[in-house]
Amino acid sequence: DAGITQSPRHKVTETGTPVTLRCHQTENHRYMYWYRQDPGHGLRLIHYSYGVKDTDKGEVSDGYSVSRSKTEDFLLTLESATSSQTSVYFCAISERIGENTEAFFGQGTRLTVV
Amino acid sequence: AQSVTQLDSHVSVSEGTPVLLRCNYSSSYSPSLFWYVQHPNKGLQLLLKYTSAATLVKGINGFEAEFKKSETSFHLTKPSAHMSDAAEYFCVVRENTGFQKLVFGTGTRLLVSP
Repeated sequence: DAGITQSPRHKVTETGTPVTLRCHQTENHRYMYWYRQDPGHGLRLIHYSYGVKDTDKGEVSDGYSVSRSKTEDFLLTLESATSSQTSVYFCAISERIGENTEAFFGQGTRLTVV
Repeated sequence: AQSVTQLDSHVSVSEGTPVLLRCNYSSSYSPSLFWYVQHPNKGLQLLLKYTSAATLVKGINGFEAEFKKSETSFHLTKPSAHMSDAAEYFCVVRENTGFQKLVFGTGTRLLVSP
């Protein structure tokens, strides 16, 4: 398995509170991604990073922010959690982009907003 | 924009019988296509990938997929199902413009009965 660690693995939080999820990699891959997985939607891209301090929005970025101050860490922050952000969040990494390149996924973080 | 459609949300088979999981894609360019598998409460694992080298792609655990451009399909097959194949399977297409992000289908849950 690729060296990707997500923390925490499970979290329950209250509506309106800030939440930060962490993705840590030991592969020194340039690209990192945050996805959310919801029934009937597959995985949808929230934000991605193409280098230290280089990030951009994905298709479902509203309500989320990210930071990448080191190659190995990519943080996802919910500034004020809402029930619609209850989901399973996956971090992924890839060494490069291009047709031969797949992404490697972490184990996921199950977030419940009550 | 590229998209992918998984035609069945659930597929049920008996152990030892063939597996067919259907995937159709749309793409303005030559696509890269992937199949990922997700076992319960686990991350996503790459099964196989198509990158234009050969239309019949072999993956792990006896799975294979055939790229058919005329039918815009990339169906996943296995000659004989095993109980351990029970999982959710995602067909994924890589956009070949801009950032080249991965676009996921909504998933097919494979159920294997004894």
